Amino acid sequence: EADIYQTPRYLVIGTGKKITLECSQTMGHDKMYWYQQDPGMELHLIHYSYGVNSTEKGDLSSESTVSRIRTEHFPLTLESARPSHTSQYLCASSQLHRGGQFFGPGTRLTVL
Amino acid sequence: TQLLEQSPQFLSIQEGENLTVYCNSSSVFSSLQWYRQEPGEGPVLLVTVVTGGEVKKLKRLTFQFGDARKDSSLHITAAQPGDTGLYLCAVSTGNQFYFGTGTSLTVIP
Repeated sequence: EADIYQTPRYLVIGTGKKITLECSQTMGHDKMYWYQQDPGMELHLIHYSYGVNSTEKGDLSSESTVSRIRTEHFPLTLESARPSHTSQYLCASSQLHRGGQFFGPGTRLTVL
Repeated sequence: TQLLEQSPQFLSIQEGENLTVYCNSSSVFSSLQWYRQEPGEGPVLLVTVVTGGEVKKLKRLTFQFGDARKDSSLHITAAQPGDTGLYLCAVSTGNQFYFGTGTSLTVIP
C-alpha cells in the first residue's frame, strides 16, 4: 500500500491569492514529482526533485515553485493564482525509475 | 511530438467483452509502466515490464512488452464495470517519467 498524501483535496480560490499545495510521503522515497492534469487528459510534469535541496522544472512551463527541505515533504506554491491555473495537481514519488511511481489522490484547484 | 501514443483514445464496451489497448513509440525503452486512473483520483501503478517480449498477468489483465521494447499492449478478458477508467502507459528517460495520451475505457453493465 502506497503512502502518499495530498492536501487539500479540493480548493476554490480567487484570482491573485497565494496558495500552497501539500504533498507528503512516508515511504522514504528520494524522488518526488508534481504533475498537472486536466480531466481525462495526459499528465504534464511541472517539477521534480531527486532529494533534499534538489529541485528541477519539468517540461510544462509553470508559474509555481517547489521546495524540498525534508525527504518526505514536497510542497508546491503558486504566488498569484490565475484562472489558467485551474486543473488537477498530482504528486508522486518513486525510488527507482524502473519501478514506476506512486501517486497521491490529487488536489483539484479552481481559480475564479 | 508525443513520445508515447496510445490507442484507442476512447473505448466503450459491454460487460463480458474482451479488449486490447496499445501504447506505441518509435523509441526504445528499458522499462514501461501501465497505470489505471479513476475520475478524481491519482493513477495507480498496475505493472512494470522490463524485458522485450515479456508477458505479465494481473488477474484478467495481460500486459505485453514488444520484442523491440518500443511498444506495449494491455489485454482485458471479460471486462467488468470495475475496469472502467483511464489507462496510461509511461516510461522513464533521463530524469523524468513521460506518460502516454491515455485510453479512456467505459465498461457498460
